[in-house]
Amino acid sequence: GAGVSQSPSNKVTEKGKDVELRCDPISGHTALYWYRQSLGQGLEFLIYFQGNSAPDKSGLPSDRFSAERTGGSVSTLTIQRTQQEDSAVYLCASSQGLAGAIEQYFGPGTRLTVT
Amino acid sequence: AQTVTQSQPEMSVQEAETVTLSCTYDTSESDYYLFWYKQPPSRQMILVIRQEAYKQQNATENRFSVNFQKAAKSFSLKISDSQLGDAAMYFCAYRSAGYEGELVFGAGTILRVKS
Repeated sequence: GAGVSQSPSNKVTEKGKDVELRCDPISGHTALYWYRQSLGQGLEFLIYFQGNSAPDKSGLPSDRFSAERTGGSVSTLTIQRTQQEDSAVYLCASSQGLAGAIEQYFGPGTRLTVT
Repeated sequence: AQTVTQSQPEMSVQEAETVTLSCTYDTSESDYYLFWYKQPPSRQMILVIRQEAYKQQNATENRFSVNFQKAAKSFSLKISDSQLGDAAMYFCAYRSAGYEGELVFGAGTILRVKS
């Protein structure tokens, strides 16, 4: 079946503008994660959705970052008033959300460049 | 909070030779999962191998194997018979067993394979 998809693949925006990044998880996966990968670094957790539960937002770096997940499927990560330090690859992952479901499946990411 | 450390920013190996990538982690938990992910230039994160902390036997997947030392909190990846397609960034990651939350990643090791 189809894997995790993300759009756009690349996004260039001017400092101060808002951006929206989209993630389509694997069908039937109830858990969805957003991570940020800055140049040459590891992945940094941003936010986690599990079914209809309140999301774990503990990784969001500032109140300029927000995310929502509509209908338990597609998720949108929004960055308001973008700054140059927001430039990174934003990766989305999903998992089955069942007890014992260990693996997270990643999308190809969105490369965000803030000029 | 858990941390993952990869002390080798870059490694090189000759084709057909064996290479070992190092990873250490810090946690106060007794039950958890450890992973090695591969990220080629396409940005797609690919799960290479995983280890459940409660299992004493080291995980093996074809040419990939781990040396899991729970007391030392060490989790190294050995790649045997290295191939050109193994060239990528490799990330070590940790996840708590009791909470289906985020992965905690190390900073990564770039692996170069020489022909």
